[in-house]
Amino acid sequence: DIQMTQSPSTLSASVGDRVTLTCRASQSISDWLAWYQQKPGKAPKLLIYKASTLESGVPSRFSGSGSGTEFTLTIRSLQPDDFATYYCQHYTFGQGTKLEIK
Amino acid sequence: QVQLQESGPGLVKPSETLSLTCTVSGDSISGHFWSWIRQPPGEGLEWLGYIYYGGTTNYNPSLKSRVTILLDTSMNEFSLRLTSVTAADTAVYYCARSDNSWYVGGNWGQGILVTVSS
Repeated sequence: DIQMTQSPSTLSASVGDRVTLTCRASQSISDWLAWYQQKPGKAPKLLIYKASTLESGVPSRFSGSGSGTEFTLTIRSLQPDDFATYYCQHYTFGQGTKLEIK
Repeated sequence: QVQLQESGPGLVKPSETLSLTCTVSGDSISGHFWSWIRQPPGEGLEWLGYIYYGGTTNYNPSLKSRVTILLDTSMNEFSLRLTSVTAADTAVYYCARSDNSWYVGGNWGQGILVTVSS
């Protein structure tokens, strides 16, 4: 079974910062990776699929990269609306990274 | 615009079977992957499994012996059955649609809280 591991668990940042979240797979998954954003009490929202393809309607400040076992989600110039929990997924989900305001 | 809506009992007794239905509107249930995901209170997301419109299923190995996902094309809905539940199965359960097997996609239901308690 492929395990997905995200780091860090929590990330503190300020509005306007550029942040990078990491997701690692226990074995190669090519580029079959998705990223989601979840806010409290809401269903997750798909941001990126196939490692780097932006879902329609998602702001261009979000970008994804990577292949094989290591992937990143970068948010350029954090906005107040971006503070949330982010999950990666390849079948199973990573444990999540909570992005909080510094 | 496709919409998904979970329904079912909000309270299930320990050792019983949890049964939920996801009703799909705005799209045919044919030609997509239909998934169930859950999230215990205060915890992360857990993928439970999917069914493809042809009937192929794939389940999370950690739950495989207890999970069944079924498709009802006549009602345009799919369902989740989870047997022998315990308090650890208390969670918000979501259904979702995708066009590939390896992710659950961008169309989710709003979620339904199921509590396991006597």
